[in-house]
This record gives sequence, structure tokens and C-alpha cells, in this order.
Amino acid sequence: KAGVTQTPRYLIKTRGQQVTLSCSPISGHRSVSWYQQTPGQGLQFLFEYFSETQRNKGNFPGRFSGRQFSNSRSEMNVSTLELGDSALYLCASSLGQGRYYEQYFGPGTRLTVT
Amino acid sequence: QQQVKQSPQSLIVQKGGISIINCAYENTAFDYFPWYQQFPGKGPALLIAIRPDVSEKKEGRFTISFNKSAKQFSLHIMDSQPGDSATYFCAATQGSGGGADGLTFGKGTHLIIQP
Repeated sequence: KAGVTQTPRYLIKTRGQQVTLSCSPISGHRSVSWYQQTPGQGLQFLFEYFSETQRNKGNFPGRFSGRQFSNSRSEMNVSTLELGDSALYLCASSLGQGRYYEQYFGPGTRLTVT
Repeated sequence: QQQVKQSPQSLIVQKGGISIINCAYENTAFDYFPWYQQFPGKGPALLIAIRPDVSEKKEGRFTISFNKSAKQFSLHIMDSQPGDSATYFCAATQGSGGGADGLTFGKGTHLIIQP
């Protein structure tokens, strides 16, 4: 079974631009979560989607948004990019919603904001 | 506010030795504590997890010890091997209405096993 796929793997954007990252979960998985990983702050939870609805949201500004499609694929969008948004963005999928379902992480999208 | 504190930041262990990584949490509502292993260029992968109703869980060479009263938990890697060299993250989460609030991660421990 194929793992979680994230595209693109690397991205360079300019401050003030917006960016959209894509995540394809493992086949059959219905929950998708997004995390931001930086050397300073570590891994931080952004949001979780299940059945096309955002179920939980971390402590990030409204510039960070996401959505989930009927096939469980998910996108996250960051508007008005700031230098501090440079990070590895990880997507994780799980069979169902809830903490006891194992989350499988993708390899991430490395975003660099210049 | 860092809700999960992980130590040490880095750790060097000789092959065959025991690697020990510690975590402490503040939020008493946390009720699920997984450990993740991350290799360079890869996303984290679940290693082992524990619920607070047990004090220890063992899977192969990996053991989680949990102390609810002290709000601490630790990962022990027995007979550490060079292939165990990776970054390890402890995490915690809580349920809310059947869902998860997302994982709260420690800052990570960079483990190097010397041959």
C-alpha cells in the first residue's frame, strides 16, 4: 500500500506570496492532519480534517487554512507568507478520527520563504 | 508554553548500550502518549505508544515507562544499534468529544549510536 504523498517536496516562495501544499493520504484513510516542523519550535499541530470538515485547529494565525476533498485528499494554504513560515510541513493520515488511530506521516514539503 | 518537555536534546550511546529519553508533561488531560522516530528526509513514524492506565509497555527492544503521579514518561532502547540513530519525539494528546486535539510534541532528541 502506498504511503502518504505530499507535493511538492520543495518550494521556494517570496514574502507576501501565498502557497498551496497538497497531501494524498493512504488509501482508505479518512483523517488528515497537518503539522509544521521548525528547528526552533519543533513539531506543531496545525489542523485536522475528517469527512471534509475541520475537526481541530492548532494555535496558528488565520493565514493558515486548509480543506479536505471527498476523496480525503487535503490541501493547506498559507497566505501573505512571512519569513517565519519557512518550515517543513508534514501531513499525516489515519483510518479514523481520534487519538488512538495511528497517524502515518508523509515526507513533508520543505517551504523556504525569501 | 511548552506542554511537553523532552530531554536530553542529544544523546550518544555505544552500540549495545541502553538509550534513555525522558519527557514530562503539564496537561493532566493528556491521555495518550506516543513516541515517534524520524530519520533525515523522512516524516516521523510511530514507534510505540502508551495509555496512562499502564505503567510500562514493551515492544521488542523499545520500552515506555509511565509515571502518572510525576507526569513523566520515558523511552528506553535496549541493546542500541547504529540503525537506531535518529531523532526521537515524545508526544501527548487528549480526546475531546471523540476526536483528537492533535499531537503535542516534545522538541526531540537526536540519538547517535556509536559502533
